[in-house]
Amino acid sequence: EVQLKESGPGLVQPSQTLSLTCTVSGFSLTDYSVHWVRQPPGKGLEWMGVMWSGGNTAYNSALKSRLSISRDTSKSQVFLKMNSLQTEDTAIYYCNRDEIMGSFDYWGQGVMVTVSS
Amino acid sequence: DTVLTQSPALAVSPGERVSISCRASEGVNSYMHWYQQKPGQQPKLLIYKVSSLASRVPARFSGSGSGTDFTLTIDPVEADDTATYFCQQSWNDWTFGGGTKLELK
Repeated sequence: EVQLKESGPGLVQPSQTLSLTCTVSGFSLTDYSVHWVRQPPGKGLEWMGVMWSGGNTAYNSALKSRLSISRDTSKSQVFLKMNSLQTEDTAIYYCNRDEIMGSFDYWGQGVMVTVSS
Repeated sequence: DTVLTQSPALAVSPGERVSISCRASEGVNSYMHWYQQKPGQQPKLLIYKVSSLASRVPARFSGSGSGTDFTLTIDPVEADDTATYFCQQSWNDWTFGGGTKLELK
């Protein structure tokens, strides 16, 4: 069964760095790409970046200067790090699997991150 | 960035047919997909590649369109379809529409 699960701190202080982990099961990170998408409370979805199955990455140009995505294939984990957090970064952060032509067939349950002092 | 524009909300009666539109600021080829999101849940893939039905999605859902104009149709609408529907393109990076909230009368 395919599963993705996000984990990380629920509260981050302004100007600090966010570190999230996406742990996957039921598929290999070398066969499928994994994306990060976030959703501020009551708002729409924003694509953040992707860890390609081949190991390369791509980022949303609006976030590129603050964002880094990496992985550990032996642990089936994808990591997101974003620095200089502000209150507008408060959101639910999802990881998901890229299936056909960039559609996301499986999503994690999401992790709520609040940026506040 | 490719901007996707959706109407904010629609209200329909159960049993009716509803069409939810998505207009792209530039052509996205066939790289258009649709998701359903219910409150407190993660989005669920409904349609990929314009018109292909995702696994375990009822045939009441269908997709169509080309170029810059795309449509998600639900026929007939059921009470359980109350949700927000997002379009997404993956031709030029990835972007999502603002979402259409579907309410039942």
